[in-house]
Amino acid sequence: QVQLVQSGAEVKKPGSSVKVSCKASGGTFSSYAISWVRQAPGQGLEWMGGIIPIFGTANYAQKFQGRVTITADESTSTAYMELSSLRSEDTAVYYCARDGLYCTGGVCYYYFDYWGQGTLVTVSS
Amino acid sequence: SSELTQDPAVSVALGQTVRITCQGDSLRSYYASWYQQKPGQAPVLVIYGKNNRPSGIPDRFSGSSSGNTASLTITGAQAEDEADYYCNSRDSSGNPYYVFGTGTKVTVL
Repeated sequence: QVQLVQSGAEVKKPGSSVKVSCKASGGTFSSYAISWVRQAPGQGLEWMGGIIPIFGTANYAQKFQGRVTITADESTSTAYMELSSLRSEDTAVYYCARDGLYCTGGVCYYYFDYWGQGTLVTVSS
Repeated sequence: SSELTQDPAVSVALGQTVRITCQGDSLRSYYASWYQQKPGQAPVLVIYGKNNRPSGIPDRFSGSSSGNTASLTITGAQAEDEADYYCNSRDSSGNPYYVFGTGTKVTVL
């Protein structure tokens, strides 16, 4: 069974950076993309970006371009999300999720089939 | 970028049927996936593709799609189905981006 285990809660000052990890077990890490999704208090889910470890290139939502860096270490089956220039609005729970992909009859289905437990990042002076 | 719109809240009597809709241009090109989220918990995938349920998801959950609208139906809603539900799809630009719906709070009366 695939498991994604994230690092613990963080408290950061405005203007600083945070790096959250997501360690995968029970599956083939390199072949599946890992996405990062955040949820501000009382708000909805927001996709931030993702990476396919075997390729190493990341894609980022336009909103986070220039502030977020997503990386992956195949040797430890761990993905990372670093967010810089933190502000109070970045206070949120950050989730990693595995990108599932199923193709049949020329049609592909995209979905997030496994999720980490979430990491609360609090930005406060 | 794409947007997916959901009704903020719906209610359903115990044992009755409720349909949650998700509208957006990207749904003309990509199937939606649906997620259930209970307070303090990570989202859980309940439907993906045309109408596929992951292992362990009860068959009272079903999905459908037409044009720019995807729907999640709960037939015979149970108390444990009370949660927030989010749709998601690939971005209509063709780039490997994703977009989530605005979310629907389902209350079981």
